[in-house]
Amino acid sequence: DAKTTQPPSMDCAEGRAANLPCNHSTISGNEYVYWYRQIHSQGPQYIIHGLKNNETNEMASLIITEDRKSSTLILPHATLRDTAVYYCIVRVAGAGGTSYGKLTFGQGTILTVHP
Amino acid sequence: DAGVIQSPRHEVTEMGQEVTLRCKPISGHNSLFWYRQTMMRGLELLIYFNNNVPIDDSGMPEDRFSAKMPNASFSTLKIQPSEPRDSAVYFCASSPFPGLAGGATVNEQFFGPGTRLTVL
Repeated sequence: DAKTTQPPSMDCAEGRAANLPCNHSTISGNEYVYWYRQIHSQGPQYIIHGLKNNETNEMASLIITEDRKSSTLILPHATLRDTAVYYCIVRVAGAGGTSYGKLTFGQGTILTVHP
Repeated sequence: DAGVIQSPRHEVTEMGQEVTLRCKPISGHNSLFWYRQTMMRGLELLIYFNNNVPIDDSGMPEDRFSAKMPNASFSTLKIQPSEPRDSAVYFCASSPFPGLAGGATVNEQFFGPGTRLTVL
């Protein structure tokens, strides 16, 4: 799997957009970008994933650069409840065999949303 | 759906004792994962199952750890004998299995609340 690089921590004011970057310069053509977050004392939570097009769901937006070497997770209106560790993971989609489903979580970005 | 259910939520035991952690995945999900999280090592995958069959157990730290999935709705992670260094939060996660056609959804994993294990 491609290696990802994220800043260790970020701050954001409540109500403002939180933009979390992720570098994955060695990503290959069949690898997706996944984002998870982990709120303190809870299990990780899936947020969104994408291949090459920008994606949006009820939680966030994912912007992937044209060369796919980096991406940004956007929380459009951050709230105090969005304070969490955010993980960017690059992984192939399931394609049979035994390689799918094995996510590797790095250190992530600690996002602190303050009033 | 109640989500992934884990029990117990907290476990305190003494070194040398057997510990059994339990997990009930989301109904209809065919993949199940066991993770361990510590401050030092972060979140690590221990083992994962597809259709009740263990696919990759390379993350299991040693022979003291074993995992089973006797049916689609239940899995256990056992540590025997337990040691203080096994103290961690253990998470179970499940995921839909996309079938032979593959797909990205298999990597959408739904995590349980975790079991906090303390070995004294």
